[in-house]
Amino acid sequence: EAGVTQSPTHLIKTRGQQATLRCSPISGHTSVYWYQQALGLGLQFLLWYDEGEERNRGNFPPRFSGRQFPNYSSELNVNALELEDSALYLCASSSRVTNEKLFFGSGTQLSVL
Amino acid sequence: QKEVEQDPGPLSVPEGAIVSLNCTYSNSAFQYFMWYRQYSRKGPELLMYTYSSGNKEDGRFTAQVDKSSKYISLFIRDSQPSDSATYLCAMTYGQNFVFGPGTRLSVLP
Repeated sequence: EAGVTQSPTHLIKTRGQQATLRCSPISGHTSVYWYQQALGLGLQFLLWYDEGEERNRGNFPPRFSGRQFPNYSSELNVNALELEDSALYLCASSSRVTNEKLFFGSGTQLSVL
Repeated sequence: QKEVEQDPGPLSVPEGAIVSLNCTYSNSAFQYFMWYRQYSRKGPELLMYTYSSGNKEDGRFTAQVDKSSKYISLFIRDSQPSDSATYLCAMTYGQNFVFGPGTRLSVLP
């Protein structure tokens, strides 16, 4: 069974540009979570999607947005990139059956120059 | 007070040592408790999961939960250099997940 997959693995952008990160959850999982992990720091919760709806949002500005598609895959968009947006962006999924367990992808390393 | 606090580390131990990693929490609503292992620049990997007070063992790893004291621990026996990673505690109620900041562990050969 395939795990959570994220693309791209690495992304290099310049200040002011937009970045789009993609995530495919484990088959059968309906919830997708996005986290930001800056170098040396802990996981910062960004967004939670379930059944196509945004369920919760962390303390991030509106230029961080996303969506979940009918097949439960998800996209994270970051507009007007700033240098401090450089981080590892992690996607995780869970299911209604095992909703107390989160399974993570390998992440997208975003570098803003 | 943060919702979840974790021993900050970093922690360096010799190969073969017993390692104890600890977290405390303040919200008594938490029902499920997890430990994740994260290698550098990789996604966290679910290591241990438990929902009741007491011990749960899996190979060299033992997860301990004390709900009355709001305290969880992960013990690693016979630690190996391959255990060198950052360990994150996590807990949840409903679908709200809260992570500790992580403890970086180095096991020296």
